[in-house]
Amino acid sequence: DGGITQSPKYLFRKEGQNVTLSCEQNLNHDAMYWYRQDPGQGLRLIYYSQIVNDFQKGDIAEGYSVSREKKESFPLTVTSAQKNPTAFYLCASSIGASGRYEQYFGPGTRLTVT
Amino acid sequence: GENVEQHPSTLSVQEGDSAVIKCTYSDSASNYFPWYKQELGKRPQLIIDIRSNVGEKKDQRIAVTLNKTAKHFSLHITETQPEDSAVYFCAASIYSGGGADGLTFGKGTHLIIQP
Repeated sequence: DGGITQSPKYLFRKEGQNVTLSCEQNLNHDAMYWYRQDPGQGLRLIYYSQIVNDFQKGDIAEGYSVSREKKESFPLTVTSAQKNPTAFYLCASSIGASGRYEQYFGPGTRLTVT
Repeated sequence: GENVEQHPSTLSVQEGDSAVIKCTYSDSASNYFPWYKQELGKRPQLIIDIRSNVGEKKDQRIAVTLNKTAKHFSLHITETQPEDSAVYFCAASIYSGGGADGLTFGKGTHLIIQP
């Protein structure tokens, strides 16, 4: 299951704190994505990046921020502005556009904010 | 934006029987439809996908059909086995020759294979 990694597996934070989730891939993929998974809600797109130094908002970007300074890394920051941050966060990557190439998912980070 | 509806939310079938999961999408421009399987505590993995220029695709016990006119697509699993128990997600996206875009997922179907 190498190729795309996320750390840590479990993360606990107090309300009001920003927290950054790590996503690294060694697949030489250009595109990277962040999804949020809640019970019974499927996966919802937060942000995606086609290439280094470029990223776009997904369907639920409010309260989140990202950066793409390196091809292999796409960290996600959950800010205190996110109303319901407790969720399972999945990072994914693909060679290129999702309409042409498979998205490979990382193992996920379960964030709990109390 | 795109909206994907998936039914049923839970499906229980006897081992050896067939299972069918259905999805509808709203944006007629969508042209790529993957299906992902997620076992408990694991990451989603692609099991099959179909593009809008194809009506049906098979891979051993798994098949996907697409009806562009009705804007729906379905996953068919034949001769179900215990290892097929998982949550299945359908998704849709638009590829227009440009850069990457994200997938819009359905809410998932929990498939239970009864021994």
